[in-house]
Amino acid sequence: AQSVTQPDIHITVSEGASLELRCNYSYGATPYLFWYVQSPGQGLQLLLKYFSGDTLVQGIKGFEAEFKRSQSSFNLRKPSVHWSDAAEYFCAVSPRGSARQLTFGSGTQLTVLP
Amino acid sequence: AAGVIQSPRHLIKEKRETATLKCYPIPRHDTVYWYQQGPGQDPQFLISFYEKMQSDKGSIPDRFSAQQFSDYHSELNMSSLELGDSALYFCASSLVQRMNTEAFFGQGTRLTVV
Repeated sequence: AQSVTQPDIHITVSEGASLELRCNYSYGATPYLFWYVQSPGQGLQLLLKYFSGDTLVQGIKGFEAEFKRSQSSFNLRKPSVHWSDAAEYFCAVSPRGSARQLTFGSGTQLTVLP
Repeated sequence: AAGVIQSPRHLIKEKRETATLKCYPIPRHDTVYWYQQGPGQDPQFLISFYEKMQSDKGSIPDRFSAQQFSDYHSELNMSSLELGDSALYFCASSLVQRMNTEAFFGQGTRLTVV
């Protein structure tokens, strides 16, 4: 069975600082990996996804993530954080060709200081 | 662009009552997924339907049932509600026929059981 670990429950950064959110996965084959963002009381919005090919994936809102098979990681990065980025971020893995039966990590709450 | 529509957005029920949540997928999407997100928890996969047939089953209680109709909308029926059923229920849809597709999430239905 697949699993996802997000080691950081809560991260605080200053506006304009860089950001890296960690995600480690466990899955026997090539995973399909996703990062979602959830603002308070809102649904899940897809930031980016990795299925195959280039291991550095560009997403929306200036986010990127790098798939590292050797480390079983899919960390999310942003060079300069904006106050509007404050939200909860979920890493997720899916075992199949489409986004079926996503398994989510426990999430990382991001606080942005002015 | 049309998104996944869930209704109602908020629902308050008493213990032992019944609730029905509705999900209208993105037009031409053939697959619907239901997720449950408890307070402070990550979303947990409940069940999915492909072309009106159940395709995957996750941690859905026996008190819950779901179906997908001919117009592809889906309903999650929850009976004998318990306080622990209070959660945000997400519906997502995707087009499985397309490779490397992703799931698009609705804004969720917040169910409060009192």
